[in-house]
Amino acid sequence: DQQVKQNSPSLSVQEGRISILNCDYTNSMFDYFLWYKKYPAEGPTFLISISSIKDKNEDGRFTVFLNKSAKHLSLHIVPSQPGDSAVYFCAATYSNAGGTSYGKLTFGQGTILTVHP
Amino acid sequence: DAMVIQNPRYQVTQFGKPVTLSCSQTLNHNVMYWYQQKSSQAPKLLFHYYDKDFNNEADTPDNFQSRRPNTSFCFLDIRSPGLGDAAMYLCATSRHGQGADTQYFGPGTRLTVL
Repeated sequence: DQQVKQNSPSLSVQEGRISILNCDYTNSMFDYFLWYKKYPAEGPTFLISISSIKDKNEDGRFTVFLNKSAKHLSLHIVPSQPGDSAVYFCAATYSNAGGTSYGKLTFGQGTILTVHP
Repeated sequence: DAMVIQNPRYQVTQFGKPVTLSCSQTLNHNVMYWYQQKSSQAPKLLFHYYDKDFNNEADTPDNFQSRRPNTSFCFLDIRSPGLGDAAMYLCATSRHGQGADTQYFGPGTRLTVL
């Protein structure tokens, strides 16, 4: 049972345009969501996050939107640049997790973003 | 400078031959995690350590073991690798293990089982 899903395996965008990556989750206990970016031959690196008490978080060209009622989040990249080409993972967790949870991340399958010059 | 280091980057083993993957960190973080990522799938948590406290995920096979001899190092032992264990193995750390803590990942070890 996959609790975090990224239904688009790939996305292709022209440089300068907006990239929108989507993620759905099923576990209503998740209250903290993250996006990680992964280049080939490197590990995932943290990009941006959002708490369930917010519906939007912005950091430069990156904005994450959260729709709790729909259990859906999205990552917007504006404007997209060729250097943004990577695999993007959505992840979810419990912000106050401790004990045996210790910040366990549940990941989606990833979306390959290609930004064409 | 690399903060989470994994060795080797590529590991080839034979079916049933034990293999050990290594992870080290320079961040002095309390928590270390091992994830398994199969092709085109989501990374999946196998287990984690909070300091020396070991926590196994319920669905992690017994074939997978881990050791954390000190804060800096953590090892993943696969006792009898099967073809289905071929995957990328990712090590990660976080300072306190709270959900909002950023996890820092190593580059991964790609395991091939012949």
